[in-house]
Amino acid sequence: DVKVTQSSRYLVKRTGEKVFLECVQDMDHENMFWYRQDPGLGLRLIYFSYDVKMKEKGDIPEGYSVSREKKERFSLILESASTNQTSMYLCASIGAENTEAFFGQGTRLTVV
Amino acid sequence: DAKTTQPPSMDCAEGRAANLPCNHSTISGNEYVYWYRQIHSQGPQYIIHGLKNNETNEMASLIITEDRKSSTLILPHATLRDTAVYYCIVLNTGGFKTIFGAGTRLFVKA
Repeated sequence: DVKVTQSSRYLVKRTGEKVFLECVQDMDHENMFWYRQDPGLGLRLIYFSYDVKMKEKGDIPEGYSVSREKKERFSLILESASTNQTSMYLCASIGAENTEAFFGQGTRLTVV
Repeated sequence: DAKTTQPPSMDCAEGRAANLPCNHSTISGNEYVYWYRQIHSQGPQYIIHGLKNNETNEMASLIITEDRKSSTLILPHATLRDTAVYYCIVLNTGGFKTIFGAGTRLFVKA
């Protein structure tokens, strides 16, 4: 019954590494989102995509990029990981009718 | 998209109703009110949403004021497993950007 799958639950990377976080949804949703969640700050939107190859910046896009080559997959890329990108990353998808957003289980990334 | 304001934390006795308030005074006419909750170490889970009318499902009830500037999520018989952070957000059906605040941390106590 899994609908939104994130590739890793836990990830440890070194400063300066290029990091890929993958998200796949099986609901044929048009809209996909990447958030990061930090204590006391709630969920903050990094990037979102409303169609294949389309992307829009969210509230905190600096240091991140995204890729949406296929409808079901939305990738978050940290070009050069830094310690301040240590966080929980959550992927979500919503259909065009915007009735309900489904979230993945999250990836807890630690940059050392 | 409108921003929301929620109390940072609330307590509730097990078996009693939990009433979680949310202010969204800048909500516009085509924005829905959504509630999600997040149990520790899991992704947020959808609870309920509404536009103008009160809504009820198997999990909760949503009461939206007539002016739509605030709403209340009601868990009719809270259990220990309802301990979580509850997020109230507003979402424009024509748009794609959601805004999550810090949410309300609900503690259900035995």
